[in-house]
Amino acid sequence: DGGITQSPKYLFRKEGQNVTLSCEQNLNHDAMYWYRQDPGQGLRLIYYSQIVNDFQKGDIAEGYSVSREKKESFPLTVTSAQKNPTAFYLCASSIEGTGEQETQYFGPGTRLLVL
Amino acid sequence: EDKVVQSPLSLVVHEGDTVTLNCSYEVTNFRSLLWYKQEKKAPTFLFMLTSSGIEKKSGRLSSILDKKELFSILNITATQTGDSAVYLCAVLDYKLSFGAGTTVTVRA
Repeated sequence: DGGITQSPKYLFRKEGQNVTLSCEQNLNHDAMYWYRQDPGQGLRLIYYSQIVNDFQKGDIAEGYSVSREKKESFPLTVTSAQKNPTAFYLCASSIEGTGEQETQYFGPGTRLLVL
Repeated sequence: EDKVVQSPLSLVVHEGDTVTLNCSYEVTNFRSLLWYKQEKKAPTFLFMLTSSGIEKKSGRLSSILDKKELFSILNITATQTGDSAVYLCAVLDYKLSFGAGTTVTVRA
């Protein structure tokens, strides 16, 4: 089945620990995105990547890092510098193009909790 | 700064009612407006709107865009309990900016 997978479903982080969230897609999409969702708020863009080996900061990149070594994969690391990491993290992907091609499709999400 | 505002924040209706959700926006270089439905997990895509005045329909859901007044509405007719969800509006310029969402609860 084609789609976007995220793992793990739930992740617990201890103080001072870096954790990595996985995002994989087999849709052959060029662009991938990471969002953070907090209760009662819309999704906020953390990082995005339009092509392999290139990525850009979104609105709330501080305390996060990403890599894009393969087209299919866009892992997100939540570093110890992120002081309030508890949130629902969503990965998305889209074709690079115009019009309907720009629709972003989402993975099932990872809920990160701080111990 | 890009801004997307949805209203109401939440509403409760009974099965069979019609619901209208609003989304207003201010973005620099508008390309499209998207509606998503989120039921506890991943948002699922509903509509993409790029042109004013052209209604998009999918079953009991429909949506229209007004680029002059900078808003869109999403209608759900003959609501069912399965329509209970958070409905997200997002506007695309160089990135996707989301509103806070409208929580719709449909009671049997």
